[in-house]
Amino acid sequence: AQRVTQPEKLLSVFKGAPVELKCNYSYSGSPELFWYVQYSRQRLQLLLRHISRESIKGFTADLNKGETSFHLKKPFAQEEDSAMYYCALQGAGGTSYGKLTFGQGTILTVHP
Amino acid sequence: DTGVSQDPRHKITKRGQNVTFRCDPISEHNRLYWYRQTLGQGPEFLTYFQNEAQLEKSRLLSDRFSAERPKGSFSTLEIQRTEQGDSAMYLCASSASGGYEKLFFGSGTQLSVL
Repeated sequence: AQRVTQPEKLLSVFKGAPVELKCNYSYSGSPELFWYVQYSRQRLQLLLRHISRESIKGFTADLNKGETSFHLKKPFAQEEDSAMYYCALQGAGGTSYGKLTFGQGTILTVHP
Repeated sequence: DTGVSQDPRHKITKRGQNVTFRCDPISEHNRLYWYRQTLGQGPEFLTYFQNEAQLEKSRLLSDRFSAERPKGSFSTLEIQRTEQGDSAMYLCASSASGGYEKLFFGSGTQLSVL
């Protein structure tokens, strides 16, 4: 069974401070990991995915297979980063495409 | 707006009634997904379509739930004999193809069963 855990429901930081949103997963194979974000009154949207090794809006995430983690980091948080963040896992194999297992989400608040 | 659209945005119904939701995906996307999200939880996968074929259904989808995607375009999700436990946000998403393509989500339909 696959599972995603985001241990923090709420995270508050001040503008300019580093931020790290934690994500741990459980999966027997080699999963693909994603971060989705939902800004206030907007739709859920993809922030970044591990397979693309991309950095979006200054955020990065490193897959640590030993610790089964995919933490999201940003060195200097901005007020516009305030949102709900979901970590999601997709299993390997063609039948798994688009079938995401989401964590419970972390609400990030960046104070001025 | 050329994104995924869902209708209605909100639905209030009485227990035991049937409800139907509609999702219009991005036009060139051949994959369509339904997810359900309850308060304080992340979205949970329900089912998905590749064109008009429903390829998988989650165990969460009881016999009271049925989804269709005729002609591989829009999709409908019907819940028969609604129960209070069905109250949730129902999200639709679409993607261009398989692989690790990103999902484009709609705004969702919020269902309240009284």
